[in-house]
Amino acid sequence: DAGVIQSPRHEVTEMGQEVTLRCKPISGHDYLFWYRQTMMRGLELLIYFNNNVPIDDSGMPEDRFSAKMPNASFSTLKIQPSEPRDSAVYFCASSFVKDTQYFGPGTRLTVL
Amino acid sequence: SQQGEEDPQALSIQEGENATMNCSYKTSINNLQWYRQNSGRGLVHLILIRSNEREKHSGRLRVTLDTSKKSSSLLITASRAADTASYFCATEGGSSNTGKLIFGQGTTLQVKP
Repeated sequence: DAGVIQSPRHEVTEMGQEVTLRCKPISGHDYLFWYRQTMMRGLELLIYFNNNVPIDDSGMPEDRFSAKMPNASFSTLKIQPSEPRDSAVYFCASSFVKDTQYFGPGTRLTVL
Repeated sequence: SQQGEEDPQALSIQEGENATMNCSYKTSINNLQWYRQNSGRGLVHLILIRSNEREKHSGRLRVTLDTSKKSSSLLITASRAADTASYFCATEGGSSNTGKLIFGQGTTLQVKP
């Protein structure tokens, strides 16, 4: 199995631009999680899905952030407009029956 | 708010020594998990211990759980330079049983060759 796939691995953009992060979970997994990691706040859960349905988006910082999961094999996290404080590493993880989570390699986002 | 709090924040030991990391949490849990993160990489699951278990082993890893004290420890025996990484505890829990994990801030372990 290829594991959780995230793209792009690195993204550098200017303030105000739209950013879209992509995730392909492990086939057969029914949970998908989006996290953000920074030195200041550590690892924060942004949103998670079960069977493609958003279950808890209480971690999404503000309306500039949105996430979708149109099917079981694909999810996006969008930031529009982006701000310098959004700079972080964004991880996607997937799991089966709520136990072990498998993390992707992350997307390092820099907003100038 | 943070559920798991790791202690110490940083640990430096010599190869061959044992490393112990502790995690405390605040509310009831269904399970507690430990993850490792190498620099620049995603997190890798190490071990899961359920709330009705007190101790679990996996290779050189030993995890204990004390639900009365709301704490867990991760012991890595006979450490190797390749164990250098950050280690996080994560709790899933309470009555909600949602699968949502709350991660602590992590312990950074350096194993010197």
